[in-house]
Amino acid sequence: RKEVEQDPGPFNVPEGATVAFNCTYSNSASQSFFWYRQDCRKEPKLLMSVYSSGNEDGRFTAQLNRASQYISLLIRDSKLSDSATYLCVARGDAGKSTFGDGTTLTVKP
Amino acid sequence: DVKVTQSSRYLVKRTGEKVFLECVQDMDHENMFWYRQDPGLGLRLIYFSYDVKMKEKGDIPEGYSVSREKKERFSLILESASTNQTSMYLCALGQINQPQHFGDGTRLSIL
Repeated sequence: RKEVEQDPGPFNVPEGATVAFNCTYSNSASQSFFWYRQDCRKEPKLLMSVYSSGNEDGRFTAQLNRASQYISLLIRDSKLSDSATYLCVARGDAGKSTFGDGTTLTVKP
Repeated sequence: DVKVTQSSRYLVKRTGEKVFLECVQDMDHENMFWYRQDPGLGLRLIYFSYDVKMKEKGDIPEGYSVSREKKERFSLILESASTNQTSMYLCALGQINQPQHFGDGTRLSIL
């Protein structure tokens, strides 16, 4: 079983749709959590950090449930430019990060 | 802005060659990381370093070594390149509990 698991998708949604990605992690010692976005043939780029209280950045909302060891990302009003692969990350106290394999999103006109 | 510079975007080498991938940062961060990314396997940690002359094995260190002689530079070395090391290599840096920032990546092909 992988330490960080994501539904690989692909998710194919129309513009304007709301889409949610889920991620589970197995290491209960993980201390910090992030969502990254990766475009084809490019490096991962930080999308947002994830906090237990939930946090929002424009159309994006991230949530952490430590009890269930579960991270989520919600994208509202999807745009064509949101098409990418989304990686969730759990980081331990030693500074090592474990990445999920990514969820692919395609937003269609 | 965090700047992580990898020496080459694309590199083609032959089986058996010794290959050096360089990563340079301008943020004075202690922690630096080398990953490889392959379709269906995601990002896998090869080696990381917490400080000058310090190194730790990641999840897949076999066939690789690293060098951290100066804080700003972290080098990944393929001692004797093999075709199964054809991959996208990503350098990252990041402080404890802070997100990591990646370089542009090096697409390495071993023929």
